[in-house]
Amino acid sequence: ELKVEQNPLFLSMQEGKNYTIYCNYSTTSDRLYWYRQDPGKSLESLFVLLSNGAVKQEGRLMASLDTKARLSTLHITAAVHDLSATYFCAVDGINTGNQFYFGTGTSLTVIP
Amino acid sequence: KAGVTQTPRYLIKTRGQQVTLSCSPISGHRSVSWYQQTPGQGLQFLFEYFSETQRNKGNFPGRFSGRQFSNSRSEMNVSTLELGDSALYLCASSLWGQGMNTEAFFGQGTRLTVV
Repeated sequence: ELKVEQNPLFLSMQEGKNYTIYCNYSTTSDRLYWYRQDPGKSLESLFVLLSNGAVKQEGRLMASLDTKARLSTLHITAAVHDLSATYFCAVDGINTGNQFYFGTGTSLTVIP
Repeated sequence: KAGVTQTPRYLIKTRGQQVTLSCSPISGHRSVSWYQQTPGQGLQFLFEYFSETQRNKGNFPGRFSGRQFSNSRSEMNVSTLELGDSALYLCASSLWGQGMNTEAFFGQGTRLTVV
């Protein structure tokens, strides 16, 4: 079964600092997704990465995908309090239809 | 454009009862997937339907079942509820198809509490 590991599980950072969340997965896939979840809420789509070397940026967040290393990163630049949430990466297993394997999530707290 | 709609938002049921949850996907989306989210197990895939056919099924007991209607709306049913079934159940819709963008959009979820 495809396994997805995220680290760190918990991240507490000060406003204005930079940090990276890592997402490793165990088998070949060229489709990776990042989602954000606020407490008690649903999952909000952040990025869709569909090929090796894909890089996407939105505001203070930038995601990249290295399919050869089976690694995706979510980089946070100059964090602000509004970014506090749980971030999930998910991999779409090849030939399994629309079935996502989710990472454990990274709970991010940005401290003023 | 309306998003993914799940009903009801909250449910409280007693052990042994059964429950049916509903999901209306984004208009034009034919793939509907269901996920269970719990603090201990995280997000786990239940099943996926595409054009009224179940394409994939996760590792859940047979008490969990689903179906999809011709208008792409989907329901999932859990019979003989157990305390461990308490969770947030999320539905996701996508266009999905060979070579198509597989981005999935999630509904607000149904919070099921089994007492």
